[in-house]
Amino acid sequence: DGGITQSPKYLFRKEGQNVTLSCEQNLNHDAMYWYRQDPGQGLRLIYYSQIVNDFQKGDIAEGYSVSREKKESFPLTVTSAQKNPTAFYLCASSMPGLYVEAFFGQGTRLTVV
Amino acid sequence: KNEVEQSPQNLTAQEGEFITINCSYSVGISALHWLQQHPGGGIVSLFMLSSGKKKHGRLIATINIQEKHSSLHITASHPRDSAVYICAVKTSYDKVIFGPGTSLSVIP
Repeated sequence: DGGITQSPKYLFRKEGQNVTLSCEQNLNHDAMYWYRQDPGQGLRLIYYSQIVNDFQKGDIAEGYSVSREKKESFPLTVTSAQKNPTAFYLCASSMPGLYVEAFFGQGTRLTVV
Repeated sequence: KNEVEQSPQNLTAQEGEFITINCSYSVGISALHWLQQHPGGGIVSLFMLSSGKKKHGRLIATINIQEKHSSLHITASHPRDSAVYICAVKTSYDKVIFGPGTSLSVIP
């Protein structure tokens, strides 16, 4: 079955540590996205990638980094520079130009203590 | 003021009731998307609209481009419809903006 897999579903980290969230898709989509979701707010775009080896900052990229070495994978690293990292993180993918019709993963809930 | 707003923020309904969730936006758009977020967090696509009306099963989505407003209707609501419903717009300058979501709880 085609889809997007995010892992882990729940992640706990100590303050000051970097942490990497995994996102893998087998939909053969060129574009992949990372969003952050906070209570009472709409999803906000962190980073996106339209093609392998290329990615762009979204609206809230500070404190995050990504890589796109393979079409199927778009890992997100939450660095110690991110002031409020505790949130729900969603990965999505789509064909180029059909951005709104994205397929979403199940999300990773990151808690920094 | 947010560019995409939804109302109500929270909604509780009895099973069988007709439900309406509203989305209004203040930017020019090329398309509007209704999404459903399950309690576990995963998101699925319901509809993408650029005009008129779409129906799928018990779900109906309408959009009025002139009034910058869309509605999502659920007929004969069921507890399994309990979820967060999110409106997202693709703007004329190719950015996607998400609404804050409407949390729906359908009680048996």
